[in-house]
Amino acid sequence: NAGVTQTPKFQVLKTGQSMTLQCAQDMNHEYMSWYRQDPGMGLRLIHYSVGAGITDQGEVPNGYNVSRSTTEDFPLRLLSAAPSQTSVYFCASSYGQGRTDTQYFGPGTRLTVL
Amino acid sequence: DQQVKQNSPSLSVQEGRISILNCDYTNSMFDYFLWYKKYPAEGPTFLISISSIKDKNEDGRFTVFLNKSAKHLSLHIVPSQPGDSAVYFCAPYPNAGKSTFGDGTTLTVKP
Repeated sequence: NAGVTQTPKFQVLKTGQSMTLQCAQDMNHEYMSWYRQDPGMGLRLIHYSVGAGITDQGEVPNGYNVSRSTTEDFPLRLLSAAPSQTSVYFCASSYGQGRTDTQYFGPGTRLTVL
Repeated sequence: DQQVKQNSPSLSVQEGRISILNCDYTNSMFDYFLWYKKYPAEGPTFLISISSIKDKNEDGRFTVFLNKSAKHLSLHIVPSQPGDSAVYFCAPYPNAGKSTFGDGTTLTVKP
């Protein structure tokens, strides 16, 4: 199993540009989430999905869109990049079965917005 | 309102000694906690967990203690090794894919 994969690893954008961060998992997990981590801070939840076709907002959803058309993929779209979105982005997945579920994280995408 | 707090941003210990990382929470409804470990340029990985029906859970060199009355948990690493140098996050059980993470404690184990 490849686990959770994220592309690209690094990205530099100019203010106002849009882009999509890709996330895929091959573990047949129901739950998938996107987090951002800023220096000295924990992971803050952007959006999450409990299954194909179902998404919901997390703590910091503004400026981001998601969709979940398949179980495997959960892309994160930046609509109009801003310097405040400079961060490291992590995608995670979990089985969603039972209350002791642990999350599996991808390696992250480091995004810089100029 | 931060529901999970790790009040020590960093901790430095000598190899072979004990490392104690602390985590406080405010929501008494949390009854399952996970610790994640994160190396630079990698995603977090699950380390150890504890349920509120227990006050202690051990896995090799790692032990987590839970004090429900104080809403406090701690992670003990004995003996500490240089490879344990990483950022450690505590997180209450994720609810429907959500998770509230503490800000993390950076542990440095000196040889």
